[in-house]
Amino acid sequence: DSGVTQTPKHLITATGQRVTLRCSPRSGDLSVYWYQQSLDQGLQFLIQYYNGEERAKGNILERFSAQQFPDLHSELNLSSLELGDSALYFCASSDSSGFPLHFGNGTRLTVT
Amino acid sequence: QKEVEQDPGPLSVPEGAIVSLNCTYSNSAFQYFMWYRQYSRKGPELLMYTYSSGNKEDGRFTAQVDKSSKYISLFIRDSQPSDSATYLCASNGAGGTSYGKLTFGQGTILTVHP
Repeated sequence: DSGVTQTPKHLITATGQRVTLRCSPRSGDLSVYWYQQSLDQGLQFLIQYYNGEERAKGNILERFSAQQFPDLHSELNLSSLELGDSALYFCASSDSSGFPLHFGNGTRLTVT
Repeated sequence: QKEVEQDPGPLSVPEGAIVSLNCTYSNSAFQYFMWYRQYSRKGPELLMYTYSSGNKEDGRFTAQVDKSSKYISLFIRDSQPSDSATYLCASNGAGGTSYGKLTFGQGTILTVHP
């Protein structure tokens, strides 16, 4: 068990809808990272937060946004969902050194 | 072209075989090279990492990086059925916000049959 908790495990929703994925990092970790894993693109970095502030951005769509709260948990918001957004979304956390990353077990999003 | 290329396999070997998993990368700024293992319905877990070129050994696992050829390898000796998983190579830059911004290969699906 990595100590990173993601909820929900599965999410099924329709196109055009909005969903929120939640992540609780390992105790003491200040950095949270979001990754998307799909069959065609593999595992891709979306965004990083450190102690509540955005630190780095990857291939994150404008329809997606994230935030990290004072208690360090993070949420990834996906809006105007499209079929192509169906994927596994992973959250990872690390301490202030940034390495290594500890991944949660992901949220499987299915858009119908 | 992806910055990290990995043959997705699948790879099927008998128990006890030596497994060789490989990746190539194109970004010369990459400094850290990692191997993650991902079991079905689980998140990736870090197996090993190396900084810059060289070898690193941990039990049955050996990671190699050759920066001159931009080649990353993972060797598994005496493979076990419990090694059956997807193996992902990953790289990142050094310093600042680069640490957690990993670039992953596609992953190689490995099956070790008894």
